Amino acid sequence: GIQVEQSPPDLILQEGANSTLRCNFSDSVNNLQWFHQNPWGQLINLFYIPSGTKQNGRLSATTVATERYSLLYISSSQTTDSGVYFCAVGYQKVTFGTGTKLQVIP
Amino acid sequence: EAGVTQFPSHSVIEKGQTVTLRCDPISGHDNLYWYRRVMGKEIKFLLHFVKESKQDESGMPNNRFLAERTGGTYSTLKVQPAELEDSGVYFCASSQVWNEQYFGPGTRLTVT
Repeated sequence: GIQVEQSPPDLILQEGANSTLRCNFSDSVNNLQWFHQNPWGQLINLFYIPSGTKQNGRLSATTVATERYSLLYISSSQTTDSGVYFCAVGYQKVTFGTGTKLQVIP
Repeated sequence: EAGVTQFPSHSVIEKGQTVTLRCDPISGHDNLYWYRRVMGKEIKFLLHFVKESKQDESGMPNNRFLAERTGGTYSTLKVQPAELEDSGVYFCASSQVWNEQYFGPGTRLTVT
């Protein structure tokens, strides 16, 4: 099956800093989503981005499907951004990445 | 419109007991999925319903897990009997066609 790797696995940021999270996938995909799992365990949809670039406030994402990667940008990070970020690919039986655990400290 | 809802939000049970998780998808979504994240590992697919039919249940770990979706609306996932390794967060998602899946808030299951 398709492999989805995320980097870095862990990230600690000072509040206000910017960061880039990466998602690499082993095969071509037509479907890619980014999620944030908050400290309470809830999974929040961030972006549905099979290709191109989207922005939502301080977050933006870019997927280059031909090169099999996607990037999630977080600017001016806040403590509420802490949690685990997942990318997920595929139709129906979605495959999740390994996750990036982000901690934003005041 | 209302999102995917799950009940309960948290369940604590003893090993050997039975627990039933419920998921209400977004109205009009024929596709319903169950996933889980155990022991801080990756989120794994469990199964997929199209309306009331099981389209793919390849991710179900064993026969202690039983999922149903009577009438093609809400779904239940029963674990009987529960084991310690079943602890984790169980997510439900729904979608219209083969595109973006909308996830519920999850049910945190703790088996002691």
